[in-house]
Amino acid sequence: QVQLVQSGAEMKKPGSSVKVSCKASRGTFSSYGVTWVRQAPGQGLEWMGRINPMLGIANYAQNLQGRVTITADKSTSTAYMELGSLKPDDTAVYYCAGDLQWQDLDSWGQGTLVTVSS
Amino acid sequence: QSALTQPASVSGSPGQSLTISCTGTSSDVGNYNLVSWFQQHPGKAPKLMIYEVTKRPSGVSNRFSGSKSDNTASLTISGLQAEDQADYFCCSYTGSPTFVVFGGGTKLTVL
Repeated sequence: QVQLVQSGAEMKKPGSSVKVSCKASRGTFSSYGVTWVRQAPGQGLEWMGRINPMLGIANYAQNLQGRVTITADKSTSTAYMELGSLKPDDTAVYYCAGDLQWQDLDSWGQGTLVTVSS
Repeated sequence: QSALTQPASVSGSPGQSLTISCTGTSSDVGNYNLVSWFQQHPGKAPKLMIYEVTKRPSGVSNRFSGSKSDNTASLTISGLQAEDQADYFCCSYTGSPTFVVFGGGTKLTVL
């Protein structure tokens, strides 16, 4: 089981972008996929997208297509999620998680709070 | 509105068993044995409790079990304990172009 450590909290203005990192501090991505999930305050979980770090292939949620980019650096076992054209509705805790088959997210980062406010 | 439907809340007394349902469609829950369940305590990251419908990760109590019938998946918790009080989310793979969908979550209260 890989251990994931995310970057710190961010405060952003509407219209700007944010980039959150997720590093495997113990183990490597190896055969894991890396999924990004967000949770708005008091709300449920929303799947944002997933990358296969070994192949560099990413898939995205349809409602975020065009605004979100997920990348991975195999050499440092670090994944990144960049979300652009930020809106106040994007205020949420953003999590990365490791999975073997899309839904079996068995290793989670600690979460990164992104606040979007003017 | 979430793609998978869960009851907003359930409650039970210590020692009881209860079941949380997760209803999808023939495109997600009904079409793949790739349904998982997560437990989330306030302020914490979710924790995987069940994956691939019925499998339990190492370290998860055998009081938690999963099942599926047609388009509905279920999480059963037996011998309810105070520490089980949390939010529970289901999740299913659904293939391209949506890939993964979550339920809206169920708040479990231990009376």
